[in-house]
Amino acid sequence: NAGVTQTPKFRVLKTGQSMTLLCAQDMNHEYMYWYRQDPGMGLRLIHYSVGEGTTAKGEVPDGYNVSRLKKQNFLLGLESAAPSQTSVYFCASTPGNTIYFGEGSWLTVV
Amino acid sequence: RKEVEQDPGPFNVPEGATVAFNCTYSNSASQSFFWYRQDCRKEPKLLMSVYSSGNEDGRFTAQLNRASQYISLLIRDSKLSDSATYLCVVNPLNQGGKLIFGQGTELSVKP
Repeated sequence: NAGVTQTPKFRVLKTGQSMTLLCAQDMNHEYMYWYRQDPGMGLRLIHYSVGEGTTAKGEVPDGYNVSRLKKQNFLLGLESAAPSQTSVYFCASTPGNTIYFGEGSWLTVV
Repeated sequence: RKEVEQDPGPFNVPEGATVAFNCTYSNSASQSFFWYRQDCRKEPKLLMSVYSSGNEDGRFTAQLNRASQYISLLIRDSKLSDSATYLCVVNPLNQGGKLIFGQGTELSVKP
């Protein structure tokens, strides 16, 4: 049982490049989330999904897109990366109570 | 006003001390509450859920006050290993599964 897996773990991007972060969970959870965490800011919700084929905006959605084509996967896309998107990104899933997190993806935009 | 707010940190306490954290939430319809612990550069991990009647797990006690819309976490007999950031999490039922985190309170336990 792998739990929640994020790929890649580390990435350096140039301004304007695009990339996709993948979150995969093998626990059949309905709810999945993408957060970013910056020093002193806590976890801020980017987008979330309450089931396959659904997505919704969180607190800081601008500059990101998401897709949930399969229940087990939640993809976070950056179409045109900006230095302000340098952050640690955490994916999470839950069946409705306990939240399970991935180990984080460190993204640097230069 | 932020949806979930926590005590500003850091809290610096000696070993053996008792320390308490508070967290306030703005949505009165919130149904589920949790405390998570996060170590430096690691993912958050569940410390304990918070139940209406209050609950205890060893040295940790969590309480919920719906009337005043806050939850608390009490740590007794602090250990060096308790040093971490403590995150308050609220699940407002009427926001369709949206989980909201507080900004976290850093605890540093010194010898």
